[in-house]
Amino acid sequence: GAVVSQHPSWVICKSGTSVKIECRSLDFQATTMFWYRQFPKQSLMLMATSNEGSKATYEQGVEKDKFLINHASLTLSTLTVTSAHPEDSSFYICSARDQRPIVYEQYFGPGTRLTVT
Amino acid sequence: GEDVEQSLFLSVREGDSSVINCTYTDSSSTYLYWYKQEPGAGLQLLTYIFSNMDMKQDQRLTVLLNKKDKHLSLRIADTQTGDSAIYFCAEKERGDSWGKLQFGAGTQVVVTP
Repeated sequence: GAVVSQHPSWVICKSGTSVKIECRSLDFQATTMFWYRQFPKQSLMLMATSNEGSKATYEQGVEKDKFLINHASLTLSTLTVTSAHPEDSSFYICSARDQRPIVYEQYFGPGTRLTVT
Repeated sequence: GEDVEQSLFLSVREGDSSVINCTYTDSSSTYLYWYKQEPGAGLQLLTYIFSNMDMKQDQRLTVLLNKKDKHLSLRIADTQTGDSAIYFCAEKERGDSWGKLQFGAGTQVVVTP
């Protein structure tokens, strides 16, 4: 149990285009999901906290108009990188928090490798 | 924000024990976690410990927590080549209702035959 999927697993796009990444909790409901960015050989940087049915909360320094987050259901959150630039190339990882009492653990997706050319 | 620090690299021989260390600064942390990341993959939760515990053992994994020194360690017994990965420690703050985690930089563990 507690599986989180991400789609796509890797994507290459051209500068100026937008790309959407999906994060799904497959066998549990998650009112809260998190989006992270990871640079090579570095730790995870939290970008935003996504709550079902409400606006996402962004960490300091993360542009909310550039990284659009939608958490439309208890099992799906999406991250859209708008007007992508090469510096947006990174590994994006989502996690979903199991909302059941006592559990409350975060489970991570396999990540999405974004390359902007 | 609060800091979580780890050594960056550990080399260990197959069959030996590995010990990965982590220090944290937030004394109000409720849960402390160890995650494993293999190349090109997401994070796999290995184990966690409540802040009111000193030790937790789960098969080959032993977690030790020294709250006084804010020191957390993960011991892997009989280390195998499949244990080669990056290991992250993370803490969850008591007051954060969303359950945000603060991660360390990760320790790359290389297991040699």
